[in-house]
Amino acid sequence: DQQVKQNSPSLSVQEGRISILNCDYTNSMFDYFLWYKKYPAEGPTFLISISSIKDKNEDGRFTVFLNKSAKHLSLHIVPSQPGDSAVYFCAAGEAGNNRKLIWGLGTSLAVNP
Amino acid sequence: DAGITQSPRHKVTETGTPVTLRCHQTENHRYMYWYRQDPGHGLRLIHYSYGVKDTDKGEVSDGYSVSRSKTEDFLLTLESATSSQTSVYFCAIAGPGSPLHFGNGTRLTVT
Repeated sequence: DQQVKQNSPSLSVQEGRISILNCDYTNSMFDYFLWYKKYPAEGPTFLISISSIKDKNEDGRFTVFLNKSAKHLSLHIVPSQPGDSAVYFCAAGEAGNNRKLIWGLGTSLAVNP
Repeated sequence: DAGITQSPRHKVTETGTPVTLRCHQTENHRYMYWYRQDPGHGLRLIHYSYGVKDTDKGEVSDGYSVSRSKTEDFLLTLESATSSQTSVYFCAIAGPGSPLHFGNGTRLTVT
């Protein structure tokens, strides 16, 4: 049973608009959440993280929101750019314990010019 | 990517043969990890290392062994490759309290 779910396999948005990628988790013990981006033939690249003591973390065009009661997090990209076209992975686990991370299946984002 | 290199990038091998994948880092990080990525599954941890000669099993360790004789190198060995081990393998490194930094992967096909 997947503990981390990204229910949208793909998403298409127009350049300049907002991209919203969603992630749900089931384990209430998770207290650390990350988003990674992956281009074809490359490894995943760390984007942004959030601790459960926060409900929002921002880094430039990327913002992650955490709703602990709903066990839901989302990644907002504003404004979206064609170079953001990639697969985005959500991961969840315990802070400071990378070996316990649970990964979602990814959402493929296409940003159209 | 700078700091972590996986070799080979692609390999085709036959069922029953041993295969070794190499991960090399120049960051002097203590922690190193091997993952596999397959359709329908998130990244799954195979083995990890927390120092030279210190390794432990991950979620999907059956059929795999690892060795770390130097800080910079972490080897993954498939003792007798099977078709179910056809996958993309990623190595990752991390400093204390830092997020994982991944290599560019090795695509392994077992025929």
